[in-house]
Amino acid sequence: GESVGLHLPTLSVQEGDNSIINCAYSNSASDYFIWYKQESGKGPQFIIDIRSNMDKRQGQRVTVLLNKTVKHLSLQIAATQPGDSAVYFCAEIISGGGADGLTFGKGTHLIIQP
Amino acid sequence: NAGVTQTPKFRILKIGQSMTLQCAQDMNHNYMYWYRQDPGMGLKLIYYSVGAGITDKGEVPNGYNVSRSTTEDFPLRLELAAPSQTSVYFCASRIQRNSPLHFGNGTRLTVT
Repeated sequence: GESVGLHLPTLSVQEGDNSIINCAYSNSASDYFIWYKQESGKGPQFIIDIRSNMDKRQGQRVTVLLNKTVKHLSLQIAATQPGDSAVYFCAEIISGGGADGLTFGKGTHLIIQP
Repeated sequence: NAGVTQTPKFRILKIGQSMTLQCAQDMNHNYMYWYRQDPGMGLKLIYYSVGAGITDKGEVPNGYNVSRSTTEDFPLRLELAAPSQTSVYFCASRIQRNSPLHFGNGTRLTVT
């Protein structure tokens, strides 16, 4: 089965509000996590990553939080804009895995309400 | 850098036809991957390569073949296309194992 999953398939937020997208993983050996954004008709685009020796990492308007105790990852987007509408999904890399050791979740569709 | 370039963007095949999906990257990445993405599903790994001359099967390799004669190119070959191969195909690359994948914009394939 899939070890990386998302709690909500669709998330609707008001423009200007903060968005929080969640991801659960089941493999405690995972040591590297990535968030991707995929707009309609395009390939996934790297947003931010975090290694297992960190619990928080910030980028431009985005923050990723990692809770290894409960195996939970979240992506926070500040002051959501219409251009943030997309599918967001997380991916994990398992320590000691091979070159193929990248597992993707199915994604959460973020919808921005005007 | 152009990044990862995939051609064609769209293709319609009849059952039993063959085709090659092209993928090229100009970032000098050793690791290259082919994924398929079906509606509402996550990315499924078809084949991958850790360097020129080396390829390995992923999760769903049946019906596909790959080659890696150069660092830059990683074509995916479909032989005897079947309706089950209708999907969006993404090529990706990365510089090392613990680094992000860089994706192309995909090839949308329909087999009828």
